[in-house]
Amino acid sequence: AQKVTQAQTEISVVEKEDVTLDCVYETRDTTYYLFWYKQPPSGELVFLIRRNSFDEQNEISGRYSWNFQKSTSSFNFTITASQVVDSAVYFCALSEPFGNEKLTFGTGTRLTIIP
Amino acid sequence: GAVVSQHPSRVICKSGTSVKIECRSLDFQATTMFWYRQFPKQSLMLMATSNEGSKATYEQGVEKDKFLINHASLTLSTLTVTSAHPEDSSFYICSARMGVDTEAFFGQGTRLTVV
Repeated sequence: AQKVTQAQTEISVVEKEDVTLDCVYETRDTTYYLFWYKQPPSGELVFLIRRNSFDEQNEISGRYSWNFQKSTSSFNFTITASQVVDSAVYFCALSEPFGNEKLTFGTGTRLTIIP
Repeated sequence: GAVVSQHPSRVICKSGTSVKIECRSLDFQATTMFWYRQFPKQSLMLMATSNEGSKATYEQGVEKDKFLINHASLTLSTLTVTSAHPEDSSFYICSARMGVDTEAFFGQGTRLTVV
């Protein structure tokens, strides 16, 4: 069975600080995708990244970066120089093997950026 | 990314009535659509997977007769909550994908309140 753990329920940081959101996953599959989504107060899910299990390269997109460590089953997300607009709930998710996009979501981390 | 539109965004209905929620892929043909449910401050739980032209596959614990899913065309899936009760009040969100091994895009979600 698949499982995604986001141990940090809520995080608050002052604007311009860096913040890392943790994600640890469990799966017996050798092929899978990992995702991060942002859910602002309006409710929609904003896609941030999709990473396949064969690609362990870290990725940077503007102020966002992701660290995929297969050895520790972690896929952490860092926001650099945080801004108030980053305040949201962030979900990490894991898909079943390639060919099926059913997602197992973590419980989410509520991030609050304090002005 | 591709656009998935969900309608309505909010609905309030009386207990015992049925409510239909639409999920449309606006700029692509969706072979598969997924329906998720999210209780307040909780994670998203997959309810069912629907493939165009075939019966939906429901997750364990989800009542098929209560949550009717229809995927009659490649751009539209509907979720009907039948004989709604206050405990069905939740945020329902759909996602759609073009084909096997492609990412899924989420709609804006529908907040259902049953009074």
